[in-house]
Amino acid sequence: GAGVSQSPSNKVTEKGKDVELRCDPISGHTALYWYRQSLGQGLEFLIYFQGNSAPDKSGLPSDRFSAERTGGSVSTLTIQRTQQEDSAVYLCASSLRGQGAISGYTFGSGTRLTVV
Amino acid sequence: AQTVTQSQPEMSVQEAETVTLSCTYDTSESDYYLFWYKQPPSRQMILVIRQEAYKQQNATENRFSVNFQKAAKSFSLKISDSQLGDAAMYFCAYRSAQGSQGNLIFGKGTKLSVKP
Repeated sequence: GAGVSQSPSNKVTEKGKDVELRCDPISGHTALYWYRQSLGQGLEFLIYFQGNSAPDKSGLPSDRFSAERTGGSVSTLTIQRTQQEDSAVYLCASSLRGQGAISGYTFGSGTRLTVV
Repeated sequence: AQTVTQSQPEMSVQEAETVTLSCTYDTSESDYYLFWYKQPPSRQMILVIRQEAYKQQNATENRFSVNFQKAAKSFSLKISDSQLGDAAMYFCAYRSAQGSQGNLIFGKGTKLSVKP
């Protein structure tokens, strides 16, 4: 697609429920990142996919968080047993391999998750 | 670990005036990249300007320029002839030049208001 697409745009869920957030990167972009932006905070790195390599999961805050990327394209971030502190905007970004530092990263508009 | 600090949570500028947003960072690396991103209410992060650490010349993009002081680990953004559309959150970000570390490290942001 022309840009990074994220869905849903907004999600309200009850505490304890599982949620899935979707990211569709720019076609051909091999690198994909997930970030979390809590209110009044900067972006917190969660996970990084690069092609077929094992993902860098070093930023995932707990084992309730997981992500996968099927076919090197679409990615899904799953949060199990959601807690109120999970409420945040979840942003996805993509870039061409090796180009992230040169051209930056293209971000989606994020999913605002509210846990009630 | 690298850190990025933005000491100004909020800034205000009169339309057509100039404003400078501050950013400092901490790293033991000698080669890296620095970025300024703009986040309007649409939530999508937009790349404003980037700087390679090995370049002494300060980057410039139209009304946007940086003052990069490598020894002081400072990377400030100057916006000249401020426009109403410049109102947004601005984030400073750091990226290692080491190939395997592709994620951006962000500061907490500065909210810029532009007064007509």
